[in-house]
Amino acid sequence: NAGVMQNPRHLVRRRGQEARLRCSPMKGHSHVYWYRQLPEEGLKFMVYLQKENIIDESGMPKERFSAEFPKEGPSILRIQQVVRGDSAAYFCASSPLERGFNSPLHFGNGTRLTVT
Amino acid sequence: DAKTTQPPSMDCAEGRAANLPCNHSTISGNEYVYWYRQIHSQGPQYIIHGLKNNETNEMASLIITEDRKSSTLILPHATLRDTAVYYCIVKEYGNKLVFGAGTILRVKS
Repeated sequence: NAGVMQNPRHLVRRRGQEARLRCSPMKGHSHVYWYRQLPEEGLKFMVYLQKENIIDESGMPKERFSAEFPKEGPSILRIQQVVRGDSAAYFCASSPLERGFNSPLHFGNGTRLTVT
Repeated sequence: DAKTTQPPSMDCAEGRAANLPCNHSTISGNEYVYWYRQIHSQGPQYIIHGLKNNETNEMASLIITEDRKSSTLILPHATLRDTAVYYCIVKEYGNKLVFGAGTILRVKS
């Protein structure tokens, strides 16, 4: 059973460009979480999605950031007009998260975004 | 979700047991104790979790005190590859994981 797959592993963008980060959850998982880790800092929650629904986006910056998890295909974290401060590692996690079903989140190995 | 307190760093000799403590004095009855670790530049790795009973799996053991106000993660025979940041997280099932600063465990030969 493949783990959470994130691509690309490394992404370089110039200031003002768009960044698209993809996350394919584990097989059978319908819940996706995105986290960001700035250099030398801790992991910060960004957004939690189910298929076609955003459940909790309390950690998402108000501008330039958006996330989706369509019925078919991977979850996408999109950053428009990137700035140097967006340079970070972005991690995706997935879970089946059915109420009453005790299952932890499983993380991918992240996408490292560098803005030049 | 309840907050946790962990020591910022610990050292352990290779081959010995690593005992990582965590205080969660405000934990409520519905909240689980989760442990994750992050090895440099990799994604967080799930280790173990529990509600009130002690738990053991192939990676580690989790000892939760009877009053549930603290717990200890035990790596029975630490290796150099266990050097990582270890996170103790308390959360109600269904809520998101909120990571603190964790404990930097250094396993030394």
